[in-house]
Amino acid sequence: DTEVTQTPKHLVMGMTNKKSLKCEQHMGHRAMYWYKQKAKKPPELMFVYSYEKLSINESVPSRFSPECPNSSLLNLHLHALQPEDSALYLCASSHWGRTAGDTQYFGPGTRLTVL
Amino acid sequence: GENVGLHLPTLSVQEGDNSIINCAYSNSASDYFIWYKQESGKGPQFIIDIRSNMDKRQGQRVTVLLNKTVKHLSLQIAATQPGDSAVYFCAERFKAAGNKLTFGGGTRVLVKP
Repeated sequence: DTEVTQTPKHLVMGMTNKKSLKCEQHMGHRAMYWYKQKAKKPPELMFVYSYEKLSINESVPSRFSPECPNSSLLNLHLHALQPEDSALYLCASSHWGRTAGDTQYFGPGTRLTVL
Repeated sequence: GENVGLHLPTLSVQEGDNSIINCAYSNSASDYFIWYKQESGKGPQFIIDIRSNMDKRQGQRVTVLLNKTVKHLSLQIAATQPGDSAVYFCAERFKAAGNKLTFGGGTRVLVKP
């Protein structure tokens, strides 16, 4: 099973709203990732969690707040977003620290629209 | 940051023909490379990977070639089918930077019936 699930599939929010994106995997992976993807562009890394600790923050604005409650779950809390934050938000997971490649498996994404 | 670039933004191929998608990477210290397929409205789907100590790897209908001398990666799809129509991304990983992937710009493959 290489499935990463994300909810919701679509989200429309105003600039004053607070919302959360959720991601779940049951592959025993100890690393989870958030990416942002604009139309016709490649995914851009936002955050990496390894063993439930934040290991990489790609200088993401504080209006995006990640959370990793346990090894299977990853959240992205959104507050006071801007219209330019509208994008596809992708979650991925992988093993961590093996000598072999740590293949990242992606979820279907949440299509976010900020009005 | 470092970028992984692609030579062809769009590739049109006749159904049944072979497809070749190319990718140039910039970090000679990258140790792991992945090809992803992304269909419209979906997340990237893993296709095949290759480590830097290999120069060729084959999967089902797909082959990845790695040329470290010229920092070039390619994906070959045999007998291309309509279901292969998608955007293909290559990605490189430099392990010392964590398991951080740097993606190329993507190539759209259009399969003509």
